[in-house]
Formats: sequence, C-alpha cells, structure tokens
Amino acid sequence: DAKTTQPTSMDCAEGRAANLPCNHSTISGNEYVYWYRQIHSQGPQYIIHGLKNNETNEMASLIITEDRKSSTLILPHATLRDTAVYYCIVRVLPDSNYQLIWGAGTKLIIKP
Amino acid sequence: DGGITQSPKYLFRKEGQNVTLSCEQNLNHDAMYWYRQDPGQGLRLIYYSQIVNDFQKGDIAEGYSVSREKKESFPLTVTSAQKNPTAFYLCASRGPPGELFFGEGSRLTVL
Repeated sequence: DAKTTQPTSMDCAEGRAANLPCNHSTISGNEYVYWYRQIHSQGPQYIIHGLKNNETNEMASLIITEDRKSSTLILPHATLRDTAVYYCIVRVLPDSNYQLIWGAGTKLIIKP
Repeated sequence: DGGITQSPKYLFRKEGQNVTLSCEQNLNHDAMYWYRQDPGQGLRLIYYSQIVNDFQKGDIAEGYSVSREKKESFPLTVTSAQKNPTAFYLCASRGPPGELFFGEGSRLTVL
C-alpha cells in the first residue's frame, strides 16, 4: 500500500470549515483513500473513503485531485468535539491481509 | 447495540507475567485485527484473522499470541517474551466495504 504524508497539526476555529490535506503521490490505480479519526484514548472511527470521485456523507466531504496524488478531508462546520487525530490511509480493495500503513496523522485542534 | 468490546480498559502487569486482552464483537464480521499504538504514533498490526480457526502474523507479532476459536472472539496474549509491552492495544473487525470498527482499547502498563 502507498504511503501518505499529512501535516503534524492544525488549528481551526469552531464553526468554520476544517480542511485537512493528505499527500499520496505514489498511489496506484486500484487504491482507495480512507480517512479515520481518533479522539484521545479511544479507538479510531471511520469517516469516509473514496477512489477518484469526490464523496460526501453526514460527517465530512472528501475531495480527491484529478491525478489522485492528494486529497482533502473537509469538516464543513467544525465543533469542539471534532478535536482529534485524523489519519489518511490508502489501501487496495479487496485486500488479503489488511497491512495498512498508519502514519502519525494530523492532530486537529478546534478552538472556541 | 452492535460493536466491539475490549476488556479490561486498564491493566497493570509485572515483568515476566503473561496477560490476556479480551476482544468480543457482535457485528457478525469474519475478519478481526489487533493493533498496538505507542504515544504519538500510528497503529501497528500485531495479528489478524480472516476467519475462525485461522490467523496470520502482522508487522510486530513477536512476543504476542492469539486464538480464534469463535467468530465473536479474538483474544490477544501478551507474553513475557514481549520486551516492551507497555502500550495502547486496539482490537478491530472489518465490515463491508472494508471499513474497520474499533473497540475502545486496552491500556497495558508494565510495572
């Protein structure tokens, strides 16, 4: 699976949109982009995933560039409860052994 | 409610002791996973199981053992051979279309 690069930390004001970038320049054509988040001392939570089209669900939007080398997770109206570490992961579907590469993620701090 | 239940949430162990972390799921998922997380770092795969009575080593299996006798259960034993066992341990199961469902984690501290 390809490796991803994310900023170490970001701040965002409450009520504003939080835009979290992810670079995956070595992504291959059959790899999906997944986003998870982890609130302190809890298990990670699935947010969204996509292949090449932009995706939206009740939690967030995922924008993938046309060349698929980067993507942005958008939390449209950030709240204090969105403070967490956000992980961007790329993986093949279906896979045989789930050998994901979890980086350190982006620590997002939402400020009142 | 459906989900992953890990226990205990906190565990203290003396050096040289084996400990077993419990992971139970009622999501009817076939695949289950154990990850280790150290402070400020991402998750690393210890063991995974695609189906009952079968499991495979992940990246850091040394010093750990697992069993998968029932679909719902995937316990992890941290043995005395694990030289640095203090960490946060996460169990997960995989649902369609490939997303992972995690438990709340077990924090192990070696005294």
